[in-house]
Amino acid sequence: DARVTQTPRHKVTEMGQEVTMRCQPILGHNTVFWYRQTMMQGLELLAYFRNRAPLDDSGMPKDRFSAEMPDATLATLKIQPSEPRDSAVYFCASGLYPGTSVNTGELFFGEGSRLTVL
Amino acid sequence: EDKVVQSPLSLVVHEGDTVTLNCSYEVTNFRSLLWYKQEKKAPTFLFMLTSSGIEKKSGRLSSILDKKELFSILNITATQTGDSAVYLCAQKAAGNKLTFGGGTRVLVKP
Repeated sequence: DARVTQTPRHKVTEMGQEVTMRCQPILGHNTVFWYRQTMMQGLELLAYFRNRAPLDDSGMPKDRFSAEMPDATLATLKIQPSEPRDSAVYFCASGLYPGTSVNTGELFFGEGSRLTVL
Repeated sequence: EDKVVQSPLSLVVHEGDTVTLNCSYEVTNFRSLLWYKQEKKAPTFLFMLTSSGIEKKSGRLSSILDKKELFSILNITATQTGDSAVYLCAQKAAGNKLTFGGGTRVLVKP
């Protein structure tokens, strides 16, 4: 059963600490997205990769956030230093572009990483 | 900037009722509109709509797109408690990039 895997599922840290979240996209998918979800803002796109190349990271605070894809099976989102306002659920999603199915628009989401910064 | 607005923000119904959820969008590179259901964890895919006026159905759920008026609706008939969730609408632009609306929280009471 192919699925997107995210770690950690939960993370509690103190302000100023570095946080790294990891994502394993579905094998064969060539697009990877990082979203952040909060009650106030809903789902916000942070970064978007296609074939491991970053295409859009305009939604990401550049001074403290960074996103990378070291290889096709791993995407990382790093926050350094973390702040209380970064507390949210971070979702990774993967998809196939352009794809061959009629559902090429479908993104498959991981279970999310719930981050709490104290 | 692409924008997706959903209404209502939330609603409470009783089992057996029918609900209609609304999604309007403003896009510059529209490709399709997607609906997702989010319970406690990850959003799960419901529908993708590309053409106007063609209804998509899956069991008690159905959805339709109006590209002229820039909106979509999601209908749930004969609601059940398991339909309680946040329903998310997303507009897909070039390259699979999805812009999500704020969601509609549906609570179905027994």
